[in-house]
Amino acid sequence: AQSVTQLDSHVSVSEGTPVLLRCNYSSSYSPSLFWYVQHPNKGLQLLLKYTSAATLVKGINGFEAEFKKSETSFHLTKPSAHMSDAAEYFCVVTSPGTSGTYKYIFGTGTRLKVLA
Amino acid sequence: GAGVSQSPRYKVAKRGQDVALRCDPISGHVSLFWYQQALGQGPEFLTYFQNEAQLDKSGLPSDRFFAERPEGSVSTLKIQRTQQEDSAVYLCASSSRLAGGLDEQYFGPGTRLTVT
Repeated sequence: AQSVTQLDSHVSVSEGTPVLLRCNYSSSYSPSLFWYVQHPNKGLQLLLKYTSAATLVKGINGFEAEFKKSETSFHLTKPSAHMSDAAEYFCVVTSPGTSGTYKYIFGTGTRLKVLA
Repeated sequence: GAGVSQSPRYKVAKRGQDVALRCDPISGHVSLFWYQQALGQGPEFLTYFQNEAQLDKSGLPSDRFFAERPEGSVSTLKIQRTQQEDSAVYLCASSSRLAGGLDEQYFGPGTRLTVT
């Protein structure tokens, strides 16, 4: 069965310092992986996705993630945090559903706090 | 263009009442997903439609939950005889891909259901 673990429920960084949000996954096949961001009172928005092409994936707003199969990790990074990055971040792995379909499995989320 | 919309945004129901939650996906999107997000948790998959066909309902927690998408566009999630454990945010997402579970999904703002 597919699963995803976000290793930190809360992360605090100072504005201008690097961001690291950790995600480990478990999958019995080569999965697709995503990072989504959820700002208060807004819908989930895709940051980036890995679909078996380049292992280093660049996303929106300066975020990137590296797929490491040997470590079953897909950590999200950003060189310099902005106040506007404060939000909840979700790591997602795809999983087979029924009737030949696929579905998302979400992690429990990491709340990022950015200090002025 | 218009994104995914959901209504109502907030719903308070007394235990035992029936509720209906509506999702308007992005026009032309063939895939539609429903998720349940409990407080402090990541979204959990409920069900998936490809056009009007409900191909995966493995995540529906009980037979009190029912979803439909009769014309392949708008979808309704119905919960009968609501219980307190049904209190959550219900998210709808759509995708232009037939394999929507493998690609980007566009999320609505959610309906927050509180059962008293």
